Amino acid sequence: GDSVTQMEGPVTLSEEAFLTINCTYTATGYPSLFWYVQYPGEGLQLLLKATKADDKGSNKGFEATYRKETTSFHLEKGSVQVSDSAVYFCALGRNKLIFGAGTRLAVHP
Amino acid sequence: DTEVTQTPKHLVMGMTNKKSLKCEQHMGHRAMYWYKQKAKKPPELMFVYSYEKLSINESVPSRFSPECPNSSLLNLHLHALQPEDSALYLCASSRLPQETQYFGPGTRLLVL
Repeated sequence: GDSVTQMEGPVTLSEEAFLTINCTYTATGYPSLFWYVQYPGEGLQLLLKATKADDKGSNKGFEATYRKETTSFHLEKGSVQVSDSAVYFCALGRNKLIFGAGTRLAVHP
Repeated sequence: DTEVTQTPKHLVMGMTNKKSLKCEQHMGHRAMYWYKQKAKKPPELMFVYSYEKLSINESVPSRFSPECPNSSLLNLHLHALQPEDSALYLCASSRLPQETQYFGPGTRLLVL
């Protein structure tokens, strides 16, 4: 069946560092791919999405490219801020969302 | 506007109580979802409503009873819950089934 695998956290970075959170998926066909972010004590916010191969989703300095050949959707940001500290979920969408386990990011000044 | 609202924000209930969670969206979305999220885990799908009809029930115990009175409103009725049901309950909606889902802030439930 469909599944999503994320790198384990926590990821701890200094402010202005480069961020990569790896996400790979297993699925038949061409599902949509998403990154959601969850700040402490809050619900999930859609960060970005891509609906077909080679699409690049971007928002708030974050980017991810839908790579069919490597079945990946890695999240990147060139310069993280303390306010980016949160849990990031990669998800695959069909008739329901299939989430990865989540990666906690902590950014220190 | 992609706002989904949920009430209450927090809820404490005993195992013999009956309570309800409410979710509302005014974006004209025709699919609505209930998820349960335990600490340090991803959300788990509970129910999906599509055009006000229940389309997916992920084998959820009958002490959880969903209701979709109209296209903007989704309720989750709770009865005789167990302490292990304590979690963050998230509602989401999408324009159509299988499209991008937008989440509410959640209701944090504690069962004593």
